[in-house]
Amino acid sequence: GAGVSQSPSNKVTEKGKDVELRCDPISGHTALYWYRQRLGQGLEFLIYFQGNSAPDKSGLPSDRFSAERTGESVSTLTIQRTQQEDSAVYLCASSFRTSGTTDTQYFGPGTRLTVL
Amino acid sequence: AQSVTQLGSHVSVSEGALVLLRCNYSSSVPPYLFWYVQYPNQGLQLLLKYTSAATLVKGINGFEAEFKKSETSFHLTKPSAHMSDAAEYFCAVSRAGGTSYGKLTFGQGTILTVHP
Repeated sequence: GAGVSQSPSNKVTEKGKDVELRCDPISGHTALYWYRQRLGQGLEFLIYFQGNSAPDKSGLPSDRFSAERTGESVSTLTIQRTQQEDSAVYLCASSFRTSGTTDTQYFGPGTRLTVL
Repeated sequence: AQSVTQLGSHVSVSEGALVLLRCNYSSSVPPYLFWYVQYPNQGLQLLLKYTSAATLVKGINGFEAEFKKSETSFHLTKPSAHMSDAAEYFCAVSRAGGTSYGKLTFGQGTILTVHP
């Protein structure tokens, strides 16, 4: 597959449970981004990876949120003790490099998280 | 800090009519500007981007946008709407130059409806 893939596509969980969301970027893309899209709102930046380091985590809403990336490949976003306000579509994007900010970010289809 | 304002959360046009989706940005440094489209149940797709070259940018599917620094605007237009243009459109900004890394700040989105 040539595009960014995310799994699961949908996740329903109970308040207080932990969830893991996965992102597979386009092969060869060094930069990876996580965004959140709450109902009726635009996308909010969460975290950015360059390789397996995260120079900017400023968008993570609380310490319940964490993310990691293995090399220049898969990334996992983990939400601990989920709350109803965490319900949103979580989008992952990747781009070839970051030295030039003109590089297009390619988005995955997202994971729709519903916290009951 | 950067921000994006999209005027009109919903725009409705007739098939064949002009499409105009408005976007104004705020940035303390020269911006890069983007328009993304999101079709139902799909990920975001890049329509076009401005990267400090020509101020009139042509994108896919007949869309174009003009960067007007004096008006801090980057409105999206298409001369003749097609039914397949019905989607949600997002304007986004990132920093140009320096140690920036491509983080996108999005507007709230505009839902375009095209009726026969």
